[in-house]
Amino acid sequence: GAVVSQHPSRVICKSGTSVKIECRSLDFQATTMFWYRQFPKQSLMLMATSNEGSKATYEQGVEKDKFLINHASLTLSTLTVTSAHPEDSSFYICSARDSGLLYGYTFGSGTRLTVV
Amino acid sequence: AQSVTQLDSHVSVSEGTPVLLRCNYSSSYSPSLFWYVQHPNKGLQLLLKYTSAATLVKGINGFEAEFKKSETSFHLTKPSAHMSDAAEYFCVVSDPTGGGNKLTFGTGTQLKVEL
Repeated sequence: GAVVSQHPSRVICKSGTSVKIECRSLDFQATTMFWYRQFPKQSLMLMATSNEGSKATYEQGVEKDKFLINHASLTLSTLTVTSAHPEDSSFYICSARDSGLLYGYTFGSGTRLTVV
Repeated sequence: AQSVTQLDSHVSVSEGTPVLLRCNYSSSYSPSLFWYVQHPNKGLQLLLKYTSAATLVKGINGFEAEFKKSETSFHLTKPSAHMSDAAEYFCVVSDPTGGGNKLTFGTGTQLKVEL
């Protein structure tokens, strides 16, 4: 089946620094990737949608200059949290979709970001 | 616009008894519907999906769901709960016409399985 690898699984960073999270589709080409944020005991909130080779589309209220998304290839998307602050601490999950929806939407295992 | 309502935020069952997690959806067209499971601090695992084929969908780990257009429902069931089923379950809708490729998540149902 389809596998999406997300790294790192956990990261602790100091306030003001930047953190990069990688999301890779291992055995299929992901034409579209999604980035979600999940607060404790809540559902997933879509942050942005990225298509390979084009700019990401951000959801309302999500700062594109703070959450930089790059989808440079059909198997890799990255989310960079710039100038992180404690309120950015959250669980971030990526998802990849193949063009024919053969595998549906496959999710990474998530990244627990803690900003201290 | 598409939306999903999970009617129960918490469900508690005894091991070996049936599981029913309820989901109603709203969509402007013929949607794709999914159920995902999430264990603590983990990503989401696909249990099953409906994409306009058979209305009764069988998934992994003994789960199944029935798409009922007249009731706009997509309830998740399992005949006999196992302790390992304890997790958070999300009902998800994707409307290719009204929502593009986006998924809309329900608020989740926490399933507790007791001995």
